[in-house]
Amino acid sequence: AQSVTQPDIHITVSEGASLELRCNYSYGATPYLFWYVQSPGQGLQLLLKYFSGDTLVQGIKGFEAEFKRSQSSFNLRKPSVHWSDAAEYFCAVGPSNYQLIWGAGTKLIIKP
Amino acid sequence: GAVVSQHPSWVICKSGTSVKIECRSLDFQATTMFWYRQFPKQSLMLMATSNEGSKATYEQGVEKDKFLINHASLTLSTLTVTSAHPEDSSFYICSASGQGYGGELFFGEGSRLTVL
Repeated sequence: AQSVTQPDIHITVSEGASLELRCNYSYGATPYLFWYVQSPGQGLQLLLKYFSGDTLVQGIKGFEAEFKRSQSSFNLRKPSVHWSDAAEYFCAVGPSNYQLIWGAGTKLIIKP
Repeated sequence: GAVVSQHPSWVICKSGTSVKIECRSLDFQATTMFWYRQFPKQSLMLMATSNEGSKATYEQGVEKDKFLINHASLTLSTLTVTSAHPEDSSFYICSASGQGYGGELFFGEGSRLTVL
């Protein structure tokens, strides 16, 4: 069955520390891969996406993600988090931009 | 990026009544809009896809008579939850895509429905 797993429901990180959010998927072929962020009171915003090519993808707000086919993973990273990064992060996969299978989300909490 | 807005942000209604949620693309023409449902601590579930001027395509298991979707213009889609019951309480989210944005989806803020 096709699925997306974000193992961490929430993660707490100190401001300035590095961040890695995990995403594993189960899919028949190599899908399109996405990370979205949802800040309180705002709609989901696309951080980055992977379709093909270089497996290290750069996104907005200083985020990057690495596609590892052998591990069926697409983990999101940021070298140094800011308090404004506190939000919920969603990983999604699918055959196109639209037909997405979503993870349950990881809530990022920033400690001052 | 383009802006999508939903209204209302939250609504409380009595069981048996109908509730309408609007999704508007504010600065672009949305050729396709999508409606999702999100349960607490769970992932988004696509309910239906609507193209302007056409009937919506519902995902398997979604009752089209319960969740009426209208996409009458390139800037507005509506979701009407008919004869709402407490189990319809949820967070409903819309997204939209339009020409010139490379297929990127733009999401509304979501609407929380509570049925008493």
